[in-house]
Amino acid sequence: QVQLVQSGAEVKKPGASVKVSCKASGYTFTSYGISWVRQAPGQGLEWMGWISAYNGNTNYAQKLQGRVTMTTDTSTSTAYMELRSLRSDDTAVYYCARDFDSSGFFDYWGQGTLVTVSS
Amino acid sequence: EIVMTQSPATLSVSPGERATLSCRASQSVSSNLAWYQQKPGQAPRLLIYGASTRATGIPARFSGSGSGTEFTLTISSLQSEDFAVYYCQQYNNWPPSTFGGGTKVEIK
Repeated sequence: QVQLVQSGAEVKKPGASVKVSCKASGYTFTSYGISWVRQAPGQGLEWMGWISAYNGNTNYAQKLQGRVTMTTDTSTSTAYMELRSLRSDDTAVYYCARDFDSSGFFDYWGQGTLVTVSS
Repeated sequence: EIVMTQSPATLSVSPGERATLSCRASQSVSSNLAWYQQKPGQAPRLLIYGASTRATGIPARFSGSGSGTEFTLTISSLQSEDFAVYYCQQYNNWPPSTFGGGTKVEIK
């Protein structure tokens, strides 16, 4: 069965960086893209960006351009999301999600990773 | 950026009743619209894609309709497990993508 398993919770200071991993199993990793979606406490969902696991192409949300980098390691079927220059409003649960047939909607999601930014 | 607006923010419904949720796009997204259900402490779950196609394993009481800028998610007879927050998402000219602000369906 398809599974996306994310790394554990992180606590970071303002200005630091965080890197969250998302290990995929149960399907051919390079046949689908991975998006990252975040959710601040008590708030809605925010799409952060997408990476093709086939060729590494990326597309990032405009507001995060320059601070976010998404990568994949096809040898371990793992996707990564790195966010730099963290601010308090980056505190959120970060989800990875599989892009169904490269269409743009998400059929499987990771369990989420809480990133807390606090001094 | 395409802005997605959901209404109402909160919907109070009794079990067994019908719930109708709305989602409006700031410009046409054709039928490139998905709906998700999210329960507290859980990841979102895909319900509907292509505006009206149910995802695998989704009960028939969930239905989606609309195209262009106006979309509706209908839950025909609310079950206890359906009380949750629902989000619409547009993926026209993917990527990028945007989500609506959500509608919370609560027990009346």
